[in-house]
Amino acid sequence: GGIITQTPKFLIGQEGQKLTLKCQQNFNHDTMYWYRQDSGKGLRLIYYSITENDLQKGDLSEGYDASREKKSSFSLTVTSAQKNEMAVFLCASSRTGGSAETLYFGSGTRLTVL
Amino acid sequence: GDSVTQTEGQVALSEEDFLTIHCNYSASGYPALFWYVQYPGEGPQFLFRASRDKEKGSSRGFEATYDKGTTSFHLRKASVQESDSAVYYCALGDTNAYKVIFGKGTHLHVLP
Repeated sequence: GGIITQTPKFLIGQEGQKLTLKCQQNFNHDTMYWYRQDSGKGLRLIYYSITENDLQKGDLSEGYDASREKKSSFSLTVTSAQKNEMAVFLCASSRTGGSAETLYFGSGTRLTVL
Repeated sequence: GDSVTQTEGQVALSEEDFLTIHCNYSASGYPALFWYVQYPGEGPQFLFRASRDKEKGSSRGFEATYDKGTTSFHLRKASVQESDSAVYYCALGDTNAYKVIFGKGTHLHVLP
């Protein structure tokens, strides 16, 4: 088995601030993902990385940057936090990038912008 | 592009009731279809998948059958328990890209 660790669990920022969320996995999986979860909107894909040196934009990439530092870690940066923004950011990994692969999720980073 | 539509909002049932959460998809070919479950304070967990027409996926008493004709993958359970209270997500694997597309989620409340 393995685990996905997201840090921090809770993140409070100020409007306009640049904020970084981190994700580590010990599954030795090739592919990693960042999803945003908003109430009533489900999970929306922000960025994903098929292999260690790859970076792909998802449907919600505007306002975010991502970095795959090494196979086990994938970071997400909110480039300019929006006032009153509240969301949960979920990191996930899968063995490969195949569309039939199971995703394994972390427990999320909860963002609040004051 | 590919998409998933599922029963919206909240579903409230009593223990031992029969559960159906509807899921319909729009995609070409035979995308893999999934159900995930999310408990409070946790990330979604894989429940089961199906990859071809008429294939049934199942786990923990939940089941769904891949139906290409009606483009559906409805989640069913014969007798729900209070511990089944959670958010359920239908998802599909986009065959044109290395990604999984999720529905908006259905919040199941099971009353004792």
